[in-house]
Amino acid sequence: GQQLNQSPQSMFIQEGEDVSMNCTSSSIFNTWLWYKQDPGEGPVLLIALYKAGELTSNGRLTAQFGITRKDSFLNISASIPSDVGIYFCAGQLSTGNQFYFGTGTSLTVIP
Amino acid sequence: GAVVSQHPSRVICKSGTSVKIECRSLDFQATTMFWYRQFPKQSLMLMATSNEGSKATYEQGVEKDKFLINHASLTLSTLTVTSAHPEDSSFYICSARAQQDYGYTFGSGTRLTVV
Repeated sequence: GQQLNQSPQSMFIQEGEDVSMNCTSSSIFNTWLWYKQDPGEGPVLLIALYKAGELTSNGRLTAQFGITRKDSFLNISASIPSDVGIYFCAGQLSTGNQFYFGTGTSLTVIP
Repeated sequence: GAVVSQHPSRVICKSGTSVKIECRSLDFQATTMFWYRQFPKQSLMLMATSNEGSKATYEQGVEKDKFLINHASLTLSTLTVTSAHPEDSSFYICSARAQQDYGYTFGSGTRLTVV
């Protein structure tokens, strides 16, 4: 399968701080998705991106589709305790309809 | 929004037995569903693409005779782990896409423990 590298691997931040994470690949993707996963649960879709350069927001979350189509970024502003979880990027190649997941970023928010 | 129901949520089975996991799209039809496996503290690894009415497509390294996939209807895909061994213990998750939705919706996952 495809290798999507996500960084940072983990983050420990104070409540109220902003968060940035990114996902990179050696392959070109035509769709990027960002998911959040709570322990023991399936991932929940946060944001979907379909065009290079696209910038999309969902509340305090903002994600961008990199112009090279090989990367994507997720920002969380003014973090709160319920933002705790593991965030995954997922990319879809132009040659198929399956998605491949990044390595994940574990976020801990300290009240 | 689109809902994908996965059952059972947890299962414990003896080594050598088979376990069936169901994935249902509750309010939409899904011609394609995906099965993932996730080990503790790791990412989701795509196992196979389940296609309604035809054979599943397996990712490299996934044994199709061990992980049997059946997608007999537009709302149901099943994954059967045959002759399970302790190393098959994992979190299995399915996903599907509703045409009216962006992205893919995931089931809540099945925690399989083989003893």
